[in-house]
Amino acid sequence: AAGVIQSPRHLIKEKRETATLKCYPIPRHDTVYWYQQGPGQDPQFLISFYEKMQSDKGSIPDRFSAQQFSDYHSELNMSSLELGDSALYFCASSLGRTGGYEQYFGPGTRLTVT
Amino acid sequence: AQRVTQPEKLLSVFKGAPVELKCNYSYSGSPELFWYVQYSRQRLQLLLRHISRESIKGFTADLNKGETSFHLKKPFAQEEDSAMYYCALRVETSGSRLTFGEGTQLTVNP
Repeated sequence: AAGVIQSPRHLIKEKRETATLKCYPIPRHDTVYWYQQGPGQDPQFLISFYEKMQSDKGSIPDRFSAQQFSDYHSELNMSSLELGDSALYFCASSLGRTGGYEQYFGPGTRLTVT
Repeated sequence: AQRVTQPEKLLSVFKGAPVELKCNYSYSGSPELFWYVQYSRQRLQLLLRHISRESIKGFTADLNKGETSFHLKKPFAQEEDSAMYYCALRVETSGSRLTFGEGTQLTVNP
């Protein structure tokens, strides 16, 4: 079965550069979530989209923005990168905005900022 | 705000021994609790959710609202159970975001 796809899997950037992470949800899933997991930390919710509209917002820095496109894939744009942005970024997708629908996670994009 | 606590970062048991991974949460309402597992170099996978009350791979978890706990248990651990386990919570008032605990790295020794 198709799973959530994230690209790239690894990304190395320098401070003050920009990065774009992509997420392709499971077919027919209409909700996408982004989580950030720092070294040795638990995943922290950043933002989610339902039917291409932002549905929830967590601890996402103002330097980050995200959107969901008409084909339901999502992109997380990160600008003015800082060393502290180095983390594993997970995308998850589900069918339905709320109501007990399971979130399926992608393999993550490991971002290293030097 | 809701919070999930997993007091043990590391847990090591021998094969065949019982295992219990602790999870406590703070939320005054009725949350939905999950256990996610992450095997080495693999993605997070849902292991259990409290509303389904099922046993997966021999694991069970019972929601204890009085103690605000959702401990994960298995009577006989197997080497293939070695992984990182995350307890997570979802509350309706916060959309469908998951709040994760810090995770417990379980190692099952032969």
